[in-house]
Amino acid sequence: ETGVTQTPRHLVMGMTNKKSLKCEQHLGHNAMYWYKQSAKKPLELMFVYNFKEQTENNSVPSRFSPECPNSSHLFLHLHTLQPEDSALYLCASSVVSYNEQFFGPGTRLTVL
Amino acid sequence: ILNVEQSPQSLHVQEGDSTNFTCSFPSSNFYALHWYRWETAKSPEALFVMTLNGDEKKKGRISATLNTKEGYSYLYIKGSQPEDSATYLCAFDGATNKLIFGTGTLLAVQP
Repeated sequence: ETGVTQTPRHLVMGMTNKKSLKCEQHLGHNAMYWYKQSAKKPLELMFVYNFKEQTENNSVPSRFSPECPNSSHLFLHLHTLQPEDSALYLCASSVVSYNEQFFGPGTRLTVL
Repeated sequence: ILNVEQSPQSLHVQEGDSTNFTCSFPSSNFYALHWYRWETAKSPEALFVMTLNGDEKKKGRISATLNTKEGYSYLYIKGSQPEDSATYLCAFDGATNKLIFGTGTLLAVQP
């Protein structure tokens, strides 16, 4: 256990659905991250939050909307996704200014 | 565009074999190099954070070396066991709050 949990672990949704991914960290960290991993590609950073403020948006389409209500929780709200958005979505956390990141197990998302 | 390359993409070895794989990264603006071990359906697990040129770190049968001037790191596993089967990821850290990951080396150890 890394101290970072993600729910759900698997999600199947239609292109017109709205769903949310949840991440929670129990490590006292103050930076949180969303990553996407598509087949045969490296982990791709999507968003970074430091002390609840978004500090990085890596040109992610607006159909992905992150939310960080406090330093322990991170959400990724999904709406009108495309089949090519099907991927593994990983959350991570770290201490700000020290990049050793601790990852959750990911949510496997399938968009039909 | 920063590029991190890992080789080989996959590796099949017999139990007891020793093995190694490579991570190549940009040699400029280097801050740290991270190694992670990622078993299927689990969280990636941090193995090493390496910062100094010539650094060598060890954790049980796994060790890693770092050459920041030429931009490469090696990960070694001595006497591979089936439980070592996983994907090994490296990530370049340029002190920008972003890690740039390679695609990983998938290791399968046959009993």
